[in-house]
Amino acid sequence: AQTVTQSQPEMSVQEAETVTLSCTYDTSESDYYLFWYKQPPSRQMILVIRQEAYKQQNATENRFSVNFQKAAKSFSLKISDSQLGDAAMYFCAYKPGGYQKVTFGTGTKLQVIP
Amino acid sequence: DGGITQSPKYLFRKEGQNVTLSCEQNLNHDAMYWYRQDPGQGLRLIYYSQIVNDFQKGDIAEGYSVSREKKESFPLTVTSAQKNPTAFYLCASKKGAAGQETQYFGPGTRLLVL
Repeated sequence: AQTVTQSQPEMSVQEAETVTLSCTYDTSESDYYLFWYKQPPSRQMILVIRQEAYKQQNATENRFSVNFQKAAKSFSLKISDSQLGDAAMYFCAYKPGGYQKVTFGTGTKLQVIP
Repeated sequence: DGGITQSPKYLFRKEGQNVTLSCEQNLNHDAMYWYRQDPGQGLRLIYYSQIVNDFQKGDIAEGYSVSREKKESFPLTVTSAQKNPTAFYLCASKKGAAGQETQYFGPGTRLLVL
C-alpha cells in the first residue's frame, strides 16, 4: 500500500526567511505524481505545486520549489521569502498514474513569525 | 467564474437522521471525489466517480452514499449508519483525460452532530 509520511507536525519560519517541509512516500509504481497542497484557516485546499515522477527537473512555482529525490522517495517543499499569508497546513500527496486514488500525508502546520 | 461549490458551509445532524451534502462544479470535469478530514489526519477518500451514473467506494465508504446523475453534481448522503460523522467534508474534481492528474477542491462542509 502506498503511504505518505510528513514527519514534521509543526514548523515555524521567520518572515522573509526560507523553510523546507519534508515528505517521504512509499510506492512500487514507476509512473506517479506528487503534490503539495496548502490549507489556510479558511480550509480551502489549494494546489501549491506538482511533480511528475518521470520529470527529472524539480518543479518550481514562484517562491515555491521542490526537491524531488526519486531514489530516496523524498519530495520536500521549499518556501523562499516566507510571507504571513503562507501560514497554513501543508499536505503532501501521492497519486499513481492511471489510478483515481490520491494518498495524503497527515500535514505540517506552518507558522510564519512577523 | 469556474469552480467547485459546496453547500451548506455548516450542517447539523440529529441522531438517526440522514443528511445530504451538495457538491457542484462548472469546470466540465469528468471525475469527482468526496473526502473526509478529521483533526490531525490527512484526507481520506469516501467515494469517487469517473463518469456520470458510475461511482466507486473509497477507503471509508461505510455509512455514506452518493449519486452521479449529472456531470456537474456529486451529492454525498451521510446516513444514520455512520456513527461518527462529525468531520470536515471536501469535494474535489479533475479532468478525465490522461495526464490531467490534479484535483481541485471546493471550500468544504463542516458537519456536526447535535
